Parts: sequence; structure tokens; C-alpha cells
Amino acid sequence: QVQLVQSGTEVKKPGASVKVSCKASGYSFTGHIMYWVRQAPGQGLEWMGWINPSSGATNYARNFQGRVTMTRDTSITTAYMELSNLKSDDTAVYYCARVRLVGGTSGVRYFDFWGQGTLVPVSS
Amino acid sequence: QSALTQPRSVSGSPGQSVTISCTGTSSDVGGYNYVSWYQQHPGKAPQLMIYDVNKRPSGVPDRFSGSKSGNTASLTISGLQAEDEADYYCCSYAGAYTFAVFGGGTKLTVL
Repeated sequence: QVQLVQSGTEVKKPGASVKVSCKASGYSFTGHIMYWVRQAPGQGLEWMGWINPSSGATNYARNFQGRVTMTRDTSITTAYMELSNLKSDDTAVYYCARVRLVGGTSGVRYFDFWGQGTLVPVSS
Repeated sequence: QSALTQPRSVSGSPGQSVTISCTGTSSDVGGYNYVSWYQQHPGKAPQLMIYDVNKRPSGVPDRFSGSKSGNTASLTISGLQAEDEADYYCCSYAGAYTFAVFGGGTKLTVL
């Protein structure tokens, strides 16, 4: 069965960086684009960007360009999201999510599987 | 501010039906049949409930249904049960360069 297992809670100070991992199993890792979505406390969902595990190609949402880096290691079927220069309003739960694409695009048809989420509190 | 507009909260009694709306524009909800809905219980990850406007993944009860009219999509839950109490989010494809837009979420309370 498809599973996305994320790394644990990371407590960070402002200005630091965080790297969250997402271990995929139960399907062809290189066959599906992976999105990263975050959720601030009591707030809604916000997509941050995506990575194509096959090619390594990435695309980042405008709000995060310059601060986010998404990578993958196909040998261990793991995707990573690194966010730098953390601020207090980056406090959130970060999710990886496998996506089914709209044909011929990298757009979201729907997210069919989600990781359990990684809490990143940012506080001095 | 989210791109898609959902009511902050809805409520209903067990056995009743509730409908949650998700309003966008002709560039997202109205332009494509790629609206999906997610249920999120406190402290849990979102779970897919509806995709392609009105399709249910296997395992999702047929009490959950989706529809769309113009720029507004809707999720209807019939025969409300206590376990349906959760937050619900809509999401729509918004073109090849925007990729996706989410609604702000709706808290469903089962009275």
C-alpha cells in the first residue's frame, strides 16, 4: 500500500533552516510528482511547490521562491523540502502529498496520498 | 486570503444533509472539471473524499457527493454521522502555471 512517512518535529529559531524528509513506499517513486503543502496553525492549506522525482525538476510557489529547495534521492525513494531563513510565521505543519496530474501538465487533478505531516515551530 | 471561497462553518444534526460551497472563478472552478475535496480531522493529514468534481475514491462512503454549477462547486454530505465532524477543503486546478488553488476550509459541526 502507498505510504508517505515524514520526519519528526523540528524546533527552529528565526533565521535557521529546516529540511523535512518524506519516505515513499508502495508505488513507483519516480512515476509521480510530489507536492509540498503547508498548514499554519488554525489556517488552511497552501501549496509550496513540487518536484518530479524522475527528473529532479522543481517548481516553487511565488511566496517561497528564493527560500525553498526541493530535492530527492531516488535510491532511498525519499523527497526533501528545505526552507531557509525561517520566520515565526513559517510555524506550520508541512505535508508531502502525491499528486495525480491533469493530463499533459504539472497541475493538480487531485492529491491522493498524504504524509502524516511534520510540525515545524519557529520561535526565539 | 485563499483563492477559493468557502463558508467558515456549517452544522447539521445526525441524519441530516449539509452542503459546503466552494466559489472560484472561470479561471479555476468554472474552467475545469478538476475540483477535489479533502476531509481533515484535528491533528491528522487531509484525506481525499471527492475528485474530478463528483467522483469518489474507493472506501469513501456514498453519503459524500460532489457537484458543480458555474464557478461554484459543492460537497454534500447526507445522513450526517458524528465522525463526519471535521474540516473540509476544496481544491481546483487553475491552469498549467498556477497548478492548484485551495479554499480556506469549512468546519463541519455535527450537533
